[in-house]
Amino acid sequence: DAKTTQPTSMDCAEGRAANLPCNHSTISGNEYVYWYRQIHSQGPQYIIHGLKNNETNEMASLIITEDRKSSTLILPHATLRDTAVYYCIVSDNYGQNFVFGPGTRLSVLP
Amino acid sequence: DAGVIQSPRHEVTEMGQEVTLRCKPISGHDYLFWYRQTMMRGLELLIYFNNNVPIDDSGMPEDRFSAKMPNASFSTLKIQPSEPRDSAVYFCASSSRGRETQYFGPGTRLLVL
Repeated sequence: DAKTTQPTSMDCAEGRAANLPCNHSTISGNEYVYWYRQIHSQGPQYIIHGLKNNETNEMASLIITEDRKSSTLILPHATLRDTAVYYCIVSDNYGQNFVFGPGTRLSVLP
Repeated sequence: DAGVIQSPRHEVTEMGQEVTLRCKPISGHDYLFWYRQTMMRGLELLIYFNNNVPIDDSGMPEDRFSAKMPNASFSTLKIQPSEPRDSAVYFCASSSRGRETQYFGPGTRLLVL
């Protein structure tokens, strides 16, 4: 069973930051937070992951709260091509409980 | 690198026929995963291999499904006999680090009539 809770859908204006929340209140100390996205008719794509520190790469930033019970994926300047389903996954580094839930459907609007 | 390659991209078959889906992982990746995606059930892990050995096949729905990985560059997922409820998109993914950072192929869209 997925250990995360995400909103079903969100809208974001093109050029603005998209902030996608994820609740994972039962996360264990050795579990990471992973984010993937799936653009329509494509396979899922890895975005970013983190343990407890904030992380940034060329695609996005990941902000994890100090108690690690929630996190936010930030797309700093959303484009129409960022329209996709975004999955937040909690798992240890052996891949235990690595389950794709329903995710958040992000629509970037012109 | 060409990424994960899957074939065929689309398959339409009749109930009772055998279906074979193929996957070529990214070179150097020693994990390979097979997923199924439907509107009702979302993205489900069917089976995964490490170094060509099946590690977890608990997601394989029933005996009609089988998967093999004869070498590091090729895997098959076979459904025999196929049923209409098997209609779905089947994804193959590979990784060098386990389940957390997987690279997915474009998927095979299967329709069983």
